[in-house]
This record gives sequence, C-alpha cells and structure tokens, in this order.
Amino acid sequence: DVKVTQSSRYLVKRTGEKVFLECVQDMDHENMFWYRQDPGLGLRLIYFSYDVKMKEKGDIPEGYSVSREKKERFSLILESASTNQTSMYLCASRSPRTGPQETQYFGPGTRLLVL
Amino acid sequence: AQSVTQLGSHVSVSEGALVLLRCNYSSSVPPYLFWYVQYPNQGLQLLLKYTSAATLVKGINGFEAEFKKSETSFHLTKPSAHMSDAAEYFCAVDSSYKLIFGSGTRLLVRP
Repeated sequence: DVKVTQSSRYLVKRTGEKVFLECVQDMDHENMFWYRQDPGLGLRLIYFSYDVKMKEKGDIPEGYSVSREKKERFSLILESASTNQTSMYLCASRSPRTGPQETQYFGPGTRLLVL
Repeated sequence: AQSVTQLGSHVSVSEGALVLLRCNYSSSVPPYLFWYVQYPNQGLQLLLKYTSAATLVKGINGFEAEFKKSETSFHLTKPSAHMSDAAEYFCAVDSSYKLIFGSGTRLLVRP
C-alpha cells in the first residue's frame, strides 16, 4: 500500500512564526505536491516537485517555499505565518512513469491554525 | 486551460436513494478525469478515473462515472446511497501532470 504521511495532524502557530510542514512517501515517487484546502474553494496547488531538488510554483505560492533534498521527503515552509494561512494542508505524491493518468496519493492532512 | 466545475456544494439524499454528483470539465485536449472522496478528518482517496479506455468507469464502493464528450461531463453516480457514503467528493482534471480540482460537493445521507 502506498503511504503518504504528514508530520502533524493539527498545528497552532503565532503570526510571524516560521512553520515547517513535513511530508514523507514510501513509494519512491518522483512527483510530490502541496495543496491547501479551503471551504468552497476545493484544493489549490501551492508548489510541486518533479524530482529531488526540483520545484515549481503552483497557483498560490505567495508566502510559501518548499524543500526537496531527498526523494521521499517534501517540506512546505511558511516563512512568516499569517492568519490568512490558516487552512488544511494536503501533501500528495505520484509516479509519472505511465503518464498523466497516474493516481495522486494523498496524506491525511495538517490542519494549521495561525493566531 | 483545463478547469472543472462541480454543480451543487451540498447534495442531500435518503439512504437507499440514487446518488448523482455533477462534474463538467473544460479541456483543450482529451482529458484525464478523476473523482476523489474525502471522509471527515482524512486525506483524499481515489474513487475512480477516466483514462480513455472506456467511457463508463467503475470505481470503489459501488460508484461509477460516465464520460460524455458531447456534454463535457463526468458525473458520479451510485444506485443506492449508504450512510457511510457521507463525505466530500472532488472531481479533478489532469493539467500537465498536475491536478485541477473542482470546489467539491458534500454528500449528506439521511436515514
């Protein structure tokens, strides 16, 4: 079974803090993704990574950065947390080997509250 | 550019009734389409996907979806709702190896 794990299920941070969200997958997938989920907006892509040390901006990258030093781990960083970054954050991974029809596998999510 | 529209942010059905969740897509190329389900406090789980092999796609938990090119639709159905189907459902389309998601439909099942 594919397993995508996220370091925390719930997180409470203060405005201005630097926040790290960690994601680990055990299926040797090249592609990894970070989304945020907000009511009525669905999932929006923040950043994605095609492979180690490769990253590309998604639709809403402002206020975020990412790091992919090892294939299995993809970190999302909030440089200076703000209240409008309160949200559910979902990590996903996939293999690109057979093309765009490959399934993305999701972690359980981290619910972040910024006070 | 690809996009997905899900009509109805909330759908309520009685247990045993037909479930119909609507999804329309916009794509300039033959699309790859996905339905995901999210149970409370969990991540997303794939229900089914369309990859052009067959227009009627069967998924897990008795769900199926039919790809209709003429209507640019990929609606999700289940003949008989169960209480355990209560969840949020997301339709998504592939866009250059990334997924574009609809805004989601929350399914409520009444006893």
